[in-house]
Amino acid sequence: TQLLEQSPQFLSIQEGENLTVYCNSSSVFSSLQWYRQEPGEGPVLLVTVVTGGEVKKLKRLTFQFGDARKDSSLHITAAQPGDTGLYLCAGLRPAGTALIFGKGTTLSVSS
Amino acid sequence: DSGVTQTPKHLITATGQRVTLRCSPRSGDLSVYWYQQSLDQGLQFLIQYYNGEERAKGNILERFSAQQFPDLHSELNLSSLELGDSALYFCASSSYNYGYTFGSGTRLTVV
Repeated sequence: TQLLEQSPQFLSIQEGENLTVYCNSSSVFSSLQWYRQEPGEGPVLLVTVVTGGEVKKLKRLTFQFGDARKDSSLHITAAQPGDTGLYLCAGLRPAGTALIFGKGTTLSVSS
Repeated sequence: DSGVTQTPKHLITATGQRVTLRCSPRSGDLSVYWYQQSLDQGLQFLIQYYNGEERAKGNILERFSAQQFPDLHSELNLSSLELGDSALYFCASSSYNYGYTFGSGTRLTVV
């Protein structure tokens, strides 16, 4: 059983479209992070959210942490081909010291 | 360059063999984490070291072991290799519980 469920698993869209990726759990996390991974490389940290209800913006990317700290979402506005990649959410359990990762959402943006 | 160095980048070996993967963390980071990434399981946490001491264990097989040396570099030893051990192995480092910096990974192929 995956502690963090990401949806959708795959997403293929046209340049300029908006999209939302979800990361859900039945467990509470003290913090949640989003990473982006490109083929042949390790994941790269995009953002960390720690407070329930927190919203962070990174250019065209908007990240939200659920009020109960059990879920998160990533919204991309006007997607570009450079946004293509594997998006991973990762959470830190309150008593944990290592991140737990979801399986990821593979995003493909075509021009 | 993320600052985390993993060697080798690729490794092809036969079943039953033993290999050692090496990781040099980002300067100043005391924690080192090892993860295994496969298509079906995603990123699975194996083990964490902090300043030379084992801090947490995840889904690490008994055939696998790791250590962190006084200079903070870490090695992951995989023995009695099976076909199913073929995967990407990532090392990450951090100073706090937020924000991991990943290396580029070692792609292990067991034939």
